[in-house]
Amino acid sequence: GAGVSQTPSNKVTEKGKYVELRCDPISGHTALYWYRQSLGQGPEFLIYFQGTGAADDSGLPNDRFFAVRPEGSVSTLKIQRTERGDSAVYLCASSLWWRTYSNQPQHFGDGTRLSIL
Amino acid sequence: AQSVTQPDIHITVSEGASLELRCNYSYGATPYLFWYVQSPGQGLQLLLKYFSGDTLVQGIKGFEAEFKRSQSSFNLRKPSVHWSDAAEYFCAVGPDNYGQNFVFGPGTRLSVLP
Repeated sequence: GAGVSQTPSNKVTEKGKYVELRCDPISGHTALYWYRQSLGQGPEFLIYFQGTGAADDSGLPNDRFFAVRPEGSVSTLKIQRTERGDSAVYLCASSLWWRTYSNQPQHFGDGTRLSIL
Repeated sequence: AQSVTQPDIHITVSEGASLELRCNYSYGATPYLFWYVQSPGQGLQLLLKYFSGDTLVQGIKGFEAEFKRSQSSFNLRKPSVHWSDAAEYFCAVGPDNYGQNFVFGPGTRLSVLP
């Protein structure tokens, strides 16, 4: 498809379980971002990838959260030992390389709604 | 660190009326500023952006925004609102040349009365 694809669209799991959320960016976009959006709030930055490397992971809330992008395309956000407070919509966005940012907006996926019971 | 405030949590306007959504930012240098719109269950769509130059920026769907450095504001406007404009609107400040931490405001929910 032409846009950013996120799977699954919804994920319900029990407290303490491990979850993986997938993001497939627009082809050719080297920059990839993960955000978390809680109910009634704006997106909160988690991590940014430039190619395969995490250029800025300052937004990850703790060491239960981890993200990878091994081939510089698809990214997976991994959450260990999930807690009820992790429930949110997780958004992924991609763009062309940030150095040409002035002409390159972020394109967002529709998000994964994660519910921890 | 940069921050963004959107003073209005919820605004209701009649269809055809004008609209202004407020955004104030805190940033150490000349900011990169954005407005996004989010419909229920969907991701964010970029309406417009400001980097430099003309302080009045035109966007998609008939929206515009004006950057006012003296007021640290970047308010979004539309002269005539359509029912399809009902959505959540987010103002955001972008990264400087060294970091990538985009900061979004809490959002303003727009309702449109027929």
